[in-house]
Amino acid sequence: QVQLVQSGAEVKKPGASVKVSCKASGYTFTDYFIHWVRQAPGQGLEWMGWINPNSGGTKYAQKFQGRVTMTRDTSISTAYMDLSSLNSDDTAMYYCAISPYGSGNFHLDYWGQGALVTVSS
Amino acid sequence: EIVMTQSPATLSVSPGERATLSCRASQRVNSNLAWYQQKPGQAPRLLIYGAFIRTTGIPARFSGSGSGTEYTLTISSLQSEDFAVYYCQQYDNWPLTFGGGTKVEI
Repeated sequence: QVQLVQSGAEVKKPGASVKVSCKASGYTFTDYFIHWVRQAPGQGLEWMGWINPNSGGTKYAQKFQGRVTMTRDTSISTAYMDLSSLNSDDTAMYYCAISPYGSGNFHLDYWGQGALVTVSS
Repeated sequence: EIVMTQSPATLSVSPGERATLSCRASQRVNSNLAWYQQKPGQAPRLLIYGAFIRTTGIPARFSGSGSGTEYTLTISSLQSEDFAVYYCQQYDNWPLTFGGGTKVEI
């Protein structure tokens, strides 16, 4: 079965960076785009961007341009999301999720368990 | 960006009753609309995509409808496991955007 297993919780100081990983299994890694979505405590869902696992190409939400970098390592079926210049507003649960590659449809079929990032001095 | 507005914010329903959740887009999304369920402490789960197509394993009591800018998720007879927060999401245009959610409570 499809599984997306994310790295553990992180506590970071303002101005630091965080890197969250998402290891995929149960499907062909290159058959799905990998998205990152975050959710602040008690709030709704916010899409951050995606990475094309085939080409490594990315598309980021304008809000995060310049601050987020999404990468992948196809040899270990793992995607990464790096967010820099952290501030308290970045405290959130960060999810990876996948959508079918090549379909033109970007509904998020499967989700990781989430990684809590806390930004605090 | 396309703004998604869900109503009501909270819906109080008794088990066995019908629940109707609404989602309005600020512009047409051409049925490129998905619904997710999120329970406390869990990741969201895809219920419906293409406005009305149920994902594998989703019970038939969940149904989606709508077109243009107006979409609806209906739960025909609420079960105890259905009490959760529901989000709509459009994927017609970038960036992908979600509604603010509807909490279905007892």
